[in-house]
Amino acid sequence: QKEVEQNSGPLSVPEGAIASLNCTYSDRGSQSFFWYRQYSGKSPELIMSIYSNGDKEDGRFTAQLNKASQYVSLLIRDSQPSDSATYLCAVSSGGSYIPTFGRGTSLIVHP
Amino acid sequence: SAVISQKPSRDICQRGTSLTIQCQVDSQVTMMFWYRQQPGQSLTLIATANQGSEATYESGFVIDKFPISRPNLTFSTLTVSNMSPEDSSIYLCSVVGAGEGADTQYFGPGTRLTVL
Repeated sequence: QKEVEQNSGPLSVPEGAIASLNCTYSDRGSQSFFWYRQYSGKSPELIMSIYSNGDKEDGRFTAQLNKASQYVSLLIRDSQPSDSATYLCAVSSGGSYIPTFGRGTSLIVHP
Repeated sequence: SAVISQKPSRDICQRGTSLTIQCQVDSQVTMMFWYRQQPGQSLTLIATANQGSEATYESGFVIDKFPISRPNLTFSTLTVSNMSPEDSSIYLCSVVGAGEGADTQYFGPGTRLTVL
């Protein structure tokens, strides 16, 4: 059974700090990796997708993928209170349109 | 990416009744899915809505309880039948083929259902 593990948190960081969110997965055949942000009472919103080992940067967000270690992370630089949300990691195998979602990590950015 | 809308956004229903949720996309998409998210939980896939044929249900979900239609490439409905309080949840429509990445899912705004 494919599993995606995330620490449920909450992860609390001060405003302006770097928030680091981690995710591990069990299926070595996984090829597509996604990070979603979900505000309370709202639907998940795609932040980033990553497909190759290494880093991918988009504004204040950096996704890091290490397939050998079966590990994907999301770094948020200069964290803002508006970044406070639950972050969902999703992983899918090649050719699949249906990812496995983690339970999410709650992030709190305090002023 | 495409604009996805769901109706209703929320509803409060009585036990034993049924509710149909609509999902509309402003462009044709490859695939459409229905998820459920219970409070404090992650997403659970109910089924894949197949255009012009019967939906593909995940383990634990059956057509009699969650009938799904997808008459074209931009529209789908999910019905929650014979509801009980355990069906109280957020129901989410998602689509693939609506933006960057051929395998990226995008979610509608969700329908918050409360069953009394």
